[in-house]
Amino acid sequence: GENVEQHPSTLSVQEGDSAVIKCTYSDSASNYFPWYKQELGKRPQLIIDIRSNVGEKKDQRIAVTLNKTAKHFSLHITETQPEDSAVYFCAASTYALNFGKGTSLLVTP
Amino acid sequence: AAGVIQSPRHLIKEKRETATLKCYPIPRHDTVYWYQQGPGQDPQFLISFYEKMQSDKGSIPDRFSAQQFSDYHSELNMSSLELGDSALYFCASSPGRGSYGYTFGSGTRLTVV
Repeated sequence: GENVEQHPSTLSVQEGDSAVIKCTYSDSASNYFPWYKQELGKRPQLIIDIRSNVGEKKDQRIAVTLNKTAKHFSLHITETQPEDSAVYFCAASTYALNFGKGTSLLVTP
Repeated sequence: AAGVIQSPRHLIKEKRETATLKCYPIPRHDTVYWYQQGPGQDPQFLISFYEKMQSDKGSIPDRFSAQQFSDYHSELNMSSLELGDSALYFCASSPGRGSYGYTFGSGTRLTVV
């Protein structure tokens, strides 16, 4: 089955800095790669996604890049704000989502 | 806009009891997925249904079963509950078998004591 690895597990940045989270996947059949933000006890919320026929996608301060050959994808958050602090999960799928272990992001003022 | 509705929001059960979790997908979404998320863990895929038939199976224990009904709502039945079953259970729905347009419900927090 699909195996998704996510790094780092924790990330602390100063407000205004950039944050980068990286994921690798094992199943070359995976064709959909979403990123979720989850606050404690809440549902995962989709922040950005990318499909396998696209290499990069941007939405305001958030961008995702995908390298299908290397089977890795990354989340980039620019101009971080304290409200960006949360756990971020990457996922890869053909049908059901296979999640990475999560990155706990802390943005300090 | 209508979202994925899960009930109950919280549930406390004793060991060896049974529990039933319900999920009502977004209208016109015919695919439902169940996930289990333990404390500090990532969501783990349990099972999914497409057009009322089981479509994919993940790490669902034999003590659990699920089905999707004619109105597309789904129920997760959990028997012989164990302390380790304490977790957040999320349901998600999508329009078709595939993860585009995937929406999560608010979850059911199950506590087994």
